[in-house]
Amino acid sequence: QVQLEQSGAEVKKPGASVKVSCKASGYTFTGYYLHWVRQAPGQPLEWVGWINPKTGGTSYGKKFQGRVTMTRDTSISTAYLDLTKLRSDDTAAYYCGREMYTSSPMGCDFWGQGTLVTVSS
Amino acid sequence: DIVMTQSPDSLAVSLGERATINCKSSQSVLYSSKNTNYVVWYQKKPGQPPKVLIYWASTRASGVPDRFSGSGSGTDFTLTISSLQAEDVAVYYCQQFYDNALYTFGQGTKLEIK
Repeated sequence: QVQLEQSGAEVKKPGASVKVSCKASGYTFTGYYLHWVRQAPGQPLEWVGWINPKTGGTSYGKKFQGRVTMTRDTSISTAYLDLTKLRSDDTAAYYCGREMYTSSPMGCDFWGQGTLVTVSS
Repeated sequence: DIVMTQSPDSLAVSLGERATINCKSSQSVLYSSKNTNYVVWYQKKPGQPPKVLIYWASTRASGVPDRFSGSGSGTDFTLTISSLQAEDVAVYYCQQFYDNALYTFGQGTKLEIK
């Protein structure tokens, strides 16, 4: 069965960096884009970006450009989200999601359980 | 950037009644060569990841009850729950997949029981 297993909660100080992992199983890792989405407390969902695990190609939301890097290790079917220069408003649950695609994108059908990142001095 | 604007921000509906949520995009998300609207609807409950309900504006995702339906084209889209159940209490989001450099969400609509 398809599963996305994310790394555990993190507590970071302002200005630090965080790296969240998303380990895929039950499907061909390189066959599907992975998206990262976050939700701050009381706020709406926010798209962070995607990575193409086959090529390593990425696209990042404008708000995050310059601070975010998405990478992958195909040997262990794992994607990573690196966010630098953390601020208090980066406190959020971060989710990875697998994009469905046949003839056109169909949204994300499977998701990780979420990783809570808390930024606090 | 494509801005997705949902209405209303919150909605209270009686059990068994119809709930309707609207989503308007700032530009068309109809991919004309495929005649497909690149809009997805999600349900989000606290502490859970999003759940896809509808893709391509009107196609129900696998396992989604048929009380959920989507409609619309171009810039105006609607999610309808035909007979509200208690388990449908959630926040609902539309998302566009047209601009693959920036897949924006709407601001969400909170659905409650009246």
